[in-house]
Amino acid sequence: KAGVTQTPRYLIKTRGQQVTLSCSPISGHRSVSWYQQTPGQGLQFLFEYFSETQRNKGNFPGRFSGRQFSNSRSEMNVSTLELGDSALYLCASSYRTGSNSPLHFGNGTRLTVT
Amino acid sequence: EDQVTQSPEALRLQEGESSSLNCSYTVSGLRGLFWYRQDPGKGPEFLFTLYSAGEEKEKERLKATLTKKESFLHITAPKPEDSATYLCAADSNQAGTALIFGKGTTLSVSS
Repeated sequence: KAGVTQTPRYLIKTRGQQVTLSCSPISGHRSVSWYQQTPGQGLQFLFEYFSETQRNKGNFPGRFSGRQFSNSRSEMNVSTLELGDSALYLCASSYRTGSNSPLHFGNGTRLTVT
Repeated sequence: EDQVTQSPEALRLQEGESSSLNCSYTVSGLRGLFWYRQDPGKGPEFLFTLYSAGEEKEKERLKATLTKKESFLHITAPKPEDSATYLCAADSNQAGTALIFGKGTTLSVSS
């Protein structure tokens, strides 16, 4: 069974630009979550989608947005990039939400903002 | 505010030298406590879920335990391939569907 696939693996953007990251979940998984990982803050929750609906959103500014498509694939978008947005962005999928269905993570997209 | 704290930040062991990693949590209504392993350049890999105090789970050289305030990841006779960052995360009533992660313990095992 294929794992969670994130593209691209690496991105370099300039401050003020926008970026779109893509995530393909494990087949059959309908929940997709996004996390930001930085050395200082660790993993922080961005948002979760289930069946194309945003179920939960973390404490990030409105520049961070996402969506989920009918095939469960998800994208997240960051507009007006800031230097502090440099991080590893991790996507995770699960069959359903809740502790009985653990998250399975992709290998992330490393975003560098210059 | 829900919080998860892991200690130590870094741990160096000799091959075969057993030890424990600590995860202290302060959450409103714990629904589950997760342990993940993360290798450099990769995403976290799921290891265990614990649901209630007193519960234990094992996988090869790893054993995870849970009390009402903390969880331990015991590593018995570690090997160099056990070197990684170990993350714990709490699923709480207050956080909805978000997991609250600790910052991790980076384990280095030398032969």
